[in-house]
Amino acid sequence: DIVMTQSPLSLPVTPGEPASISCRSSQSLLHRNGDNYLDWYLQRPGQSPQLLIYLGFNRASGVPDRFSGSGSGTDFTLKISRVEAEDVGVYYCMQVLQIPITFGQGTRLEIK
Amino acid sequence: QVQLQQSGPGLVKPAQTLSLTCAISGDSVSSNSATWNWIRQSPSRGLEWLGRTYYRSKWYNEYADSVKSRITINPDTSKNHFSLQLNSVTPEDTALYYCARFFRDAMDVWGQGTTVTVSS
Repeated sequence: DIVMTQSPLSLPVTPGEPASISCRSSQSLLHRNGDNYLDWYLQRPGQSPQLLIYLGFNRASGVPDRFSGSGSGTDFTLKISRVEAEDVGVYYCMQVLQIPITFGQGTRLEIK
Repeated sequence: QVQLQQSGPGLVKPAQTLSLTCAISGDSVSSNSATWNWIRQSPSRGLEWLGRTYYRSKWYNEYADSVKSRITINPDTSKNHFSLQLNSVTPEDTALYYCARFFRDAMDVWGQGTTVTVSS
């Protein structure tokens, strides 16, 4: 199974400041078609996870442009350019290159 | 707009069968471009993908090794839903269970979640 490792696990951020979350995979997520099979999700308190970024860098419908994804192979990053109060929750990366689909441990973003 | 509505009991006795259903609106369980997944979440295991069902000229099922001997995911085309059955449950199966649609390389729609407790 592909192991997904996120850091940090906890991320206190001042509103208006940037934030960055790292995700590393135990195997390359780069497919021969050139796509990286890595998605990012946000789980707000008491809610189901919601898709933010798919295939490494594509924002899902309705996701603000302050969210961006980057990286390739085994190293990926989710960046929030200016954190807002509504961004509080747990962020997960997920690999969809192979079965079983696997998730990172989650990064809890909190407002300072 | 695609929506998934979960139903099923929140309390299951040890050694019995956990059964949940996920009703689909706005899409079809027989879609040739989506897969239909069950995922659970617990403090000890985090988010754990359990398995999926999908149709590509015929039906396929794939399961996580951790539950492979105990799990069945079935589509029901007449009701446009899919179900999860997990046999011989133990307290370690206590978790928040989600159904989700996988479409265009992501889990783009999730059910509301069902908390299942395994206890006598």
